[in-house]
Amino acid sequence: GAVVSQHPSWVICKSGTSVKIECRSLDFQATTMFWYRQFPKQSLMLMATSNEGSKATYEQGVEKDKFLINHASLTLSTLTVTSAHPEDSSFYICSASDPVASPYNEQFFGPGTRLTVL
Amino acid sequence: AQTVTQSQPEMSVQEAETVTLSCTYDTSESDYYLFWYKQPPSRQMILVIRQEAYKQQNATENRFSVNFQKAAKSFSLKISDSQLGDAAMYFCAFTSTGSARQLTFGSGTQLTVLP
Repeated sequence: GAVVSQHPSWVICKSGTSVKIECRSLDFQATTMFWYRQFPKQSLMLMATSNEGSKATYEQGVEKDKFLINHASLTLSTLTVTSAHPEDSSFYICSASDPVASPYNEQFFGPGTRLTVL
Repeated sequence: AQTVTQSQPEMSVQEAETVTLSCTYDTSESDYYLFWYKQPPSRQMILVIRQEAYKQQNATENRFSVNFQKAAKSFSLKISDSQLGDAAMYFCAFTSTGSARQLTFGSGTQLTVLP
């Protein structure tokens, strides 16, 4: 149980284009989803927290107009990187949590998406 | 705000031996949860073990166990009978019992298992 999928696993795009990454909880309803960014050999950096049906809460320093997050249902959250530039190239990871599925506030993670902006 | 510190950027262990990864944290809360997550080369984050702060008994999951010292704010992970598949980055994480459900991660320890 508690499986989170992420799509695509790897995406290459041209500078200036937008890219959408999907995060789905497959066997549970996720009231809260998180989006992280991870650079090689570093820890996860929280970008934003989204609760179903509400606007996402962004961490300090994260441009909300650049990283659009939508959590329209209890099983799906999307991250859209708008007008992507090479410096946005990174590994993006989503996670999901829910009082029923994760009573100890643990998060279940997707497999990540490698974004390369040319 | 909570902080989590992992002071060992890299560790290595011989296959079948035991290794301990260190983690300290700082919080003013009395009730919280602590986790160890594993991130193998595939980069999929996997929950290894969980500890509830109100429990004095150390958590154990097969070859993985923790040494939870609440007063010292220490939460180390012991891996017994190390296997090649244990090679990964290990992250210690803290979360409060509130509804925010956010995790605070340490910087990670890269574990190498030597055959």
